[in-house]
Amino acid sequence: EAGVAQSPRYKIIEKRQSVAFWCNPISGHATLYWYQQILGQGPKLLIQFQNNGVVDDSQLPKDRFSAERLKGVDSTLKIQPAKLEDSAVYLCASTLRSGRVYNEQFFGPGTRLTVL
Amino acid sequence: AQSVTQLDSQVPVFEEAPVELRCNYSSSVSVYLFWYVQYPNQGLQLLLKYLSGSTLVESINGFEAEFNKSQTSFHLRKPSVHISDTAEYFCAVSTANAGGTSYGKLTFGQGTILTVHP
Repeated sequence: EAGVAQSPRYKIIEKRQSVAFWCNPISGHATLYWYQQILGQGPKLLIQFQNNGVVDDSQLPKDRFSAERLKGVDSTLKIQPAKLEDSAVYLCASTLRSGRVYNEQFFGPGTRLTVL
Repeated sequence: AQSVTQLDSQVPVFEEAPVELRCNYSSSVSVYLFWYVQYPNQGLQLLLKYLSGSTLVESINGFEAEFNKSQTSFHLRKPSVHISDTAEYFCAVSTANAGGTSYGKLTFGQGTILTVHP
């Protein structure tokens, strides 16, 4: 079974530029998450999708970050314009929901963003 | 809001020694608990999880964790570590409502770097 795919793996941009990340979850996983992991910290949820609807985006900085999952499969996360503090690894994860419980989340390899 | 505290940022240990990585979470009606591991240059992988039932859960590679509701803890232990256990370990919590329905999102601790020396 193929895992969660993310691209690009690395990205270096200058502040005020735009950047986009792509994620392809495991086939059949209706729930998709984007996390931000700053160096030395644990991952922090940015947004959670159930199919193509947003479940939780309470921690997404909406003035500069946006995300979409138009067909309920692939997802893109965009930052426009980027700031120095956006330097982090952006992780995508997906999961199945069985009844009342979400199963384990499967994580992609992440995209390491460096903002200069 | 839920919070997770991993009490040690780094744990150095010699090979074949026992180890305990500590994790505490803020109280909630119901929680689901996870330990993830991140080996160097790799993604996060699930190590073990507590959803319900026995409070002691085990992984296939010798780790175990015990859910202690009264102390709101989920410490990870291994009686004898190997060089290959060197990695960063993350404790994570997913909350649920009183009926046990999970909200899905994970709140992570800041991570503990386990370094096993020969």
